[in-house]
Amino acid sequence: AQKVTQAQTEISVVEKEDVTLDCVYETRDTTYYLFWYKQPPSGELVFLIRRNSFDEQNEISGRYSWNFQKSTSSFNFTITASQVVDSAVYFCALSAVNSGNTPLVFGKGTRLSVIA
Amino acid sequence: DVKVTQSSRYLVKRTGEKVFLECVQDMDHENMFWYRQDPGLGLRLIYFSYDVKMKEKGDIPEGYSVSREKKERFSLILESASTNQTSMYLCASSLGTSGAFLIYNEQFFGPGTRLTVL
Repeated sequence: AQKVTQAQTEISVVEKEDVTLDCVYETRDTTYYLFWYKQPPSGELVFLIRRNSFDEQNEISGRYSWNFQKSTSSFNFTITASQVVDSAVYFCALSAVNSGNTPLVFGKGTRLSVIA
Repeated sequence: DVKVTQSSRYLVKRTGEKVFLECVQDMDHENMFWYRQDPGLGLRLIYFSYDVKMKEKGDIPEGYSVSREKKERFSLILESASTNQTSMYLCASSLGTSGAFLIYNEQFFGPGTRLTVL
């Protein structure tokens, strides 16, 4: 069975601080994909990134970076110099061939509050 | 840009009523999904559809049914609403018909419908 754990339920930081959101996953598949989504207060989830299981290169996009480590089954997300607009709920998700009833399995989400 | 729209942002219904939640996407996506989101539980899949008239149960299909008569529209039906179905309902769509595409392609979400059952 696939599982995604986001141990941090809520995080609060002051603007301009760096913050890392943790994501740990479980799967027996060798081919799988990991995703991060952002859900701002408006409610609509927005896709941020996808990584496949064969590509462990870290990725950077502006203030966002992602660290994928198969050895620890983690796919962590770091926001550098956080801004108030980063306040949202962030979801990590996993898809794999043997996902059973659910093509995409979500973690429970981490609510990030960035205080001015 | 992909656009997924949901018929209502907020809905209040009474116990026992039949409730229809409508979702429309405008990018010719094959796959459509219905999730419910509850505090502390994240997103849970109710049903999904990979083609017109096709449907698959997700993790929590009990108490729900779906209809997909046209490619762009996916409806979630609560036959007899109950208070434990009070939740945020999110619709999503993605491209591709094969299993590989189903797990590879990102899903695009609508703004959600907050349903309250009294």
